[in-house]
Amino acid sequence: GAVVSQHPSWVICKSGTSVKIECRSLDFQATTMFWYRQFPKQSLMLMATSNEGSKATYEQGVEKDKFLINHASLTLSTLTVTSAHPEDSSFYICSARVSQTQHFGDGTRLSIL
Amino acid sequence: RKEVEQDPGPFNVPEGATVAFNCTYSNSASQSFFWYRQDCRKEPKLLMSVYSSGNEDGRFTAQLNRASQYISLLIRDSKLSDSATYLCVVNGPDSWGKFQFGAGTQVVVTP
Repeated sequence: GAVVSQHPSWVICKSGTSVKIECRSLDFQATTMFWYRQFPKQSLMLMATSNEGSKATYEQGVEKDKFLINHASLTLSTLTVTSAHPEDSSFYICSARVSQTQHFGDGTRLSIL
Repeated sequence: RKEVEQDPGPFNVPEGATVAFNCTYSNSASQSFFWYRQDCRKEPKLLMSVYSSGNEDGRFTAQLNRASQYISLLIRDSKLSDSATYLCVVNGPDSWGKFQFGAGTQVVVTP
């Protein structure tokens, strides 16, 4: 089945650091990937839709200059959390659309000290 | 009102028992429905799609009620490994497949 790989799985860094998260589709091409954020005991919240070769579409309330998305190839999308602060600590998950459903990466647990 | 609502639980279920729970959605134009399973600190994994006529996959049965705008999941003969959070996922009518997630229902199967 479709496999989506996300890296790194866990990041701990100091406030002010920028963190890049990679999302790769391993055995298929993904023209569209999604980036979600999940806080404890809450639902996944869609942050943005990443489109290969074009600008990402951000959901309302998500700062595009804060969360930079690049989808340079059909198998790779990256999310960069710029100048991260403690309130950015969360579980970030990417997914790729496969037919009518989505397959998720392993997720990245981001902890900002 | 949230677009997808679920009872957060937890539902404490003795091993071997049956448990069922629902999820309601607000957009009547929603087209696709799924149940995902999420273990603690892990990514969601597709459990099953939900079809209009209802469908079964082993011990899991999913139902869709469009008139009342809810879907349900029933787990028979619960196993300890069924302990997880079950996410209700609804796909909007647009072609980009934006998913709306419920916050999840926690199921705890006890020995």
